Amino acid sequence: EAGVTQFPSHSVIEKGQTVTLRCDPISGHDNLYWYRRVMGKEIKFLLHFVKESKQDESGMPNNRFLAERTGGTYSTLKVQPAELEDSGVYFCASSLREGDNEQFFGPGTRLTVL
Amino acid sequence: GDSVTQMEGPVTLSEEAFLTINCTYTATGYPSLFWYVQYPGEGLQLLLKATKADDKGSNKGFEATYRKETTSFHLEKGSVQVSDSAVYFCARGRRASKIIFGSGTRLSIRP
Repeated sequence: EAGVTQFPSHSVIEKGQTVTLRCDPISGHDNLYWYRRVMGKEIKFLLHFVKESKQDESGMPNNRFLAERTGGTYSTLKVQPAELEDSGVYFCASSLREGDNEQFFGPGTRLTVL
Repeated sequence: GDSVTQMEGPVTLSEEAFLTINCTYTATGYPSLFWYVQYPGEGLQLLLKATKADDKGSNKGFEATYRKETTSFHLEKGSVQVSDSAVYFCARGRRASKIIFGSGTRLSIRP
């Protein structure tokens, strides 16, 4: 079975541009999470979807970030307009609704804003 | 708020050396504790976990014990291999909720 996939693996954009990151969770996983690691620091939580609903978006840094999960399958994270401090690695994770809720992580998208 | 503190790296060891990476957490409630690992070019993988005090998580020769009295979850391995070179993250979490990570420790093993 395929794991969590993320696209693209790398993105290099200029300040002020828009970037959209995509995450495809493991099939059947209702929970979907976004995290990011900036400048080699700790990995920080951004938000949590349960199916298509935002369960917790307390980690979203500001209104330049917009996450969606239409239909409760894949999710997108849009950054508009991108700033230099948005550079980092963006991870997506998914877990089952029931059970021990182990979160399975994707390989991440490395975003570089110049 | 909730937090996780782990020893800063990078850590460089020779093959077959003993490894300890220290980790402490804030003691709000009774979280589950985790060690995640990121090998070069790959995503985060769960290495081991412990869900309650005195539990020991183990996998691939790595061990960590949930110590409530010292709020610690130190990662240990008796004999490291070159293939253990990676970034290790200590973390805490609850069911169906966000995971809080430490800053990561880069481990390099010399042949």
